[in-house]
Amino acid sequence: DTEVTQTPKHLVMGMTNKKSLKCEQHMGHRAMYWYKQKAKKPPELMFVYSYEKLSINESVPSRFSPECPNSSLLNLHLHALQPEDSALYLCASSQVDYNTGELFFGEGSRLTVL
Amino acid sequence: AQSVTQLDSQVPVFEEAPVELRCNYSSSVSVYLFWYVQYPNQGLQLLLKYLSGSTLVESINGFEAEFNKSQTSFHLRKPSVHISDTAEYFCAVNSGGYQKVTFGTGTKLQVIP
Repeated sequence: DTEVTQTPKHLVMGMTNKKSLKCEQHMGHRAMYWYKQKAKKPPELMFVYSYEKLSINESVPSRFSPECPNSSLLNLHLHALQPEDSALYLCASSQVDYNTGELFFGEGSRLTVL
Repeated sequence: AQSVTQLDSQVPVFEEAPVELRCNYSSSVSVYLFWYVQYPNQGLQLLLKYLSGSTLVESINGFEAEFNKSQTSFHLRKPSVHISDTAEYFCAVNSGGYQKVTFGTGTKLQVIP
């Protein structure tokens, strides 16, 4: 069982909809990540939160809006997406202190934009 | 800068045969190395990792990888594969900046009955 939980597992939305992806971890990790993964490709980093503050934004379009309400939760708000945004969105967490880069991933949210 | 190369995009292998998935990395400093496995429609799971110490690391399901600094490689091996090993395998490297792990392009292991 994964210790990083993502909801929903599947999401279908139109280009005018507003939706959110949610991620929760209870491992005490203070770094949380959003990755985007297209079919047959490696995960691409989107955002990193460290101690609940946004530390990395990999030039992601503003139609993706991350939020970290507390140390256990990470959200990704979606608005006015394009069909090319359809992908598997992965949340991950890690330690900050003495971090080796080991990531703990959720099972992902499969997003389809119509 | 760090980078990872997985030359083989697909590796078909018969059940119970041995397999090697190749990974080479590039970094100017010390590295931490990882293999992640991704089963269909799932997230990535850590398979094994090299942080320091013994250059041979093993997983609980029979995989092993050897860190070779002179060849800048971290190849993944298993002496006898099972159908359930069919998955995508990603090699990853981190050279100190914990927030930016670099993933290879992945190798699809297809185990043939």
